[in-house]
Amino acid sequence: DTAVSQTPKYLVTQMGNDKSIKCEQNLGHDTMYWYKQDSKKFLKIMFSYNNKELIINETVPNRFSPKSPDKAHLNLHINSLELGDSAVYFCASSQRWAGRNQPQHFGDGTRLSIL
Amino acid sequence: QKEVEQDPGPLSVPEGAIVSLNCTYSNSAFQYFMWYRQYSRKGPELLMYTYSSGNKEDGRFTAQVDKSSKYISLFIRDSQPSDSATYLCAMSADIWREYGNKLVFGAGTILRVKS
Repeated sequence: DTAVSQTPKYLVTQMGNDKSIKCEQNLGHDTMYWYKQDSKKFLKIMFSYNNKELIINETVPNRFSPKSPDKAHLNLHINSLELGDSAVYFCASSQRWAGRNQPQHFGDGTRLSIL
Repeated sequence: QKEVEQDPGPLSVPEGAIVSLNCTYSNSAFQYFMWYRQYSRKGPELLMYTYSSGNKEDGRFTAQVDKSSKYISLFIRDSQPSDSATYLCAMSADIWREYGNKLVFGAGTILRVKS
């Protein structure tokens, strides 16, 4: 069973469109994240949710809106897509346990290409 | 200056060699140190996780953290062609309100093990 799964794996769309990426984790973790990996493979945090509450919003444009319907799901909606949004988006999850941050587990990414 | 510096390589070694990968960092608040391995078109996979300073060994992998020098290392013994991947160091701080367990990644080092 896949621990952190993202859909779709590939997304090719035109500039100006609105699209969503879904993420689900079956690890029972209480915190979920979105990261962006650019063309140089550099990974950067975008958002983090803990128990459905937004914890981190790392100066991401308002066109990006995360939504967490429950602890196991974190979706990412992107409005008015721009060429610069082309990247790989990774979902991750972790658990805080015994007062410490446990390591994050990643999905296999969604490759977004804007034409 | 980036918070986490990592030489992107590529690093090319013969099969059986000992590989040394390193990262330096500037933020003294970092307490959690991780190494992830990323194969092409896959998500980062956790290899090693260390809290604070010290060494940790797992099979052919050894992670070292020197907080006084702000320097972390990953050693791979008896390297195999299947170890060919990008290795990412990642760090996080223990101040939940300020950092929320976001991971700060290095740029990743591309490793190629030749048979």
